[in-house]
Amino acid sequence: QSVLTQPPSVSGAPGQRVTISCTGSSSNIGAGYDVHWYQQLPGTAPKLLIYVNNNRPSGVPDRFSGSKSGTSASLAITGLQAEDEADYYCQSYDSSLSGYVFGTGTKVTVL
Amino acid sequence: QVTLRESGPALVKPTQTLTLTCTFSGFSLSTSGMCVSWIRQPPGKALEWLALIDWDDDKYYRTSLKTRLTISKDTSNNQVVLTMTNMNPVDTATYYCARSRGVIVEVDYWGQGTLVTVSS
Repeated sequence: QSVLTQPPSVSGAPGQRVTISCTGSSSNIGAGYDVHWYQQLPGTAPKLLIYVNNNRPSGVPDRFSGSKSGTSASLAITGLQAEDEADYYCQSYDSSLSGYVFGTGTKVTVL
Repeated sequence: QVTLRESGPALVKPTQTLTLTCTFSGFSLSTSGMCVSWIRQPPGKALEWLALIDWDDDKYYRTSLKTRLTISKDTSNNQVVLTMTNMNPVDTATYYCARSRGVIVEVDYWGQGTLVTVSS
């Protein structure tokens, strides 16, 4: 089972701002481990979107931003576009499991 | 340019052993810090990390599947192999191999994935 909890879905109109939460625990996010975010377009492999809490790889639009506080993290998408319709996953490291943990995933729908 | 490609059977029978190979290019698993993981995704469900092997041949496994998984590397041929024993229909998933530059850091490159169906 996933150790990081995300809302199943979020939606917004084009141009709006949406946020996705990622809630962990004291053995992962709360222990200080970094949070990373991935975007998975339909039928494709995940792609790194945000790394080390709030850093964007080259080529990722600055509409995407991340933050982390306590045992949670968030991904924000501002100026929502149709091409942002995808599944989004957070990821961290869990010391009690000695391995990666992924979030439950959030489907973003552009209305 | 970093690329990873998974290969293996598309269909396995229950109780059989699955063997998947990840063939990569653009980096070496003998370089300090380099790691390759296997991650799977059942149809319509979330990503699930399975195993990781690092440049120093240290291996890490998903706790709940540890008794069924073996990960190994062939550095000279740029390959990582995952075996999973006693396959069950619930193991039906797309299996990805992926690179990271550390054990606890982000996955920066993913393969395209290979769908494995477990059915008699």
